[in-house]
Amino acid sequence: NFMLTQPHSVSESPGKTVTISCTGSSGSIASNYVQWYQQRPGSAPTTVIYEDNQRPSGVPDRFSGSIDSSSNSASLTISGLKTEDEADYYCQSYDSSILFGGGTKLTVL
Amino acid sequence: EVQLVESGGGLVQPGGSLRLSCAASGFTFSSYEMNWVRQAPGKGLEWVSYISSSGSTIYYADSVKGRFTISRDNAKNSLYLQMNSLRAEDTAVYYCARVVERYSYGVDYWGQGTLVTVSS
Repeated sequence: NFMLTQPHSVSESPGKTVTISCTGSSGSIASNYVQWYQQRPGSAPTTVIYEDNQRPSGVPDRFSGSIDSSSNSASLTISGLKTEDEADYYCQSYDSSILFGGGTKLTVL
Repeated sequence: EVQLVESGGGLVQPGGSLRLSCAASGFTFSSYEMNWVRQAPGKGLEWVSYISSSGSTIYYADSVKGRFTISRDNAKNSLYLQMNSLRAEDTAVYYCARVVERYSYGVDYWGQGTLVTVSS
């Protein structure tokens, strides 16, 4: 079964740039769109990237998404890190079923 | 402003039933596909079910197939999830979410969630 694998946790300092990866276990991750969701502690998820690299209105351009077919992975990059970016981030795509990655805890310190 | 408000969660015994509702406002509900997504305590997100804008196409995760039924009433701007034969492993916060694209069924708006606890 197709799976999306994310690092369990990443950490970076305020003002820096961090990239969170989402690797497909087989096939081509580029075959379907990838979304990224942010979930702050105690809150519902919100969407920060949809259709690989599109930002919903209200999401700052510090958030960007990309696809790397050579590594069969998607990436979420957050630049100019702020403490408010500290959250869990989930990638999501589709392969015979709607799938989520296991989530990555971003610590900004 | 797009709003999705879930209700109907609560404590239910194993084997019991519960019906979740999601009230939509701020957009043309009948034009959008919808998902239910759940999150067990301390765990990640898990997709539960999908319904097309007309209700004619429906999908379920294997973990709930045969026990859960998704439906919608476009006249009432409402989405539903009927949950039967509930198990302890169904304990989770359940979110309704609006689908933004139909290739991987990604969502753009989420509700605040409703907690379902299955326990004796």
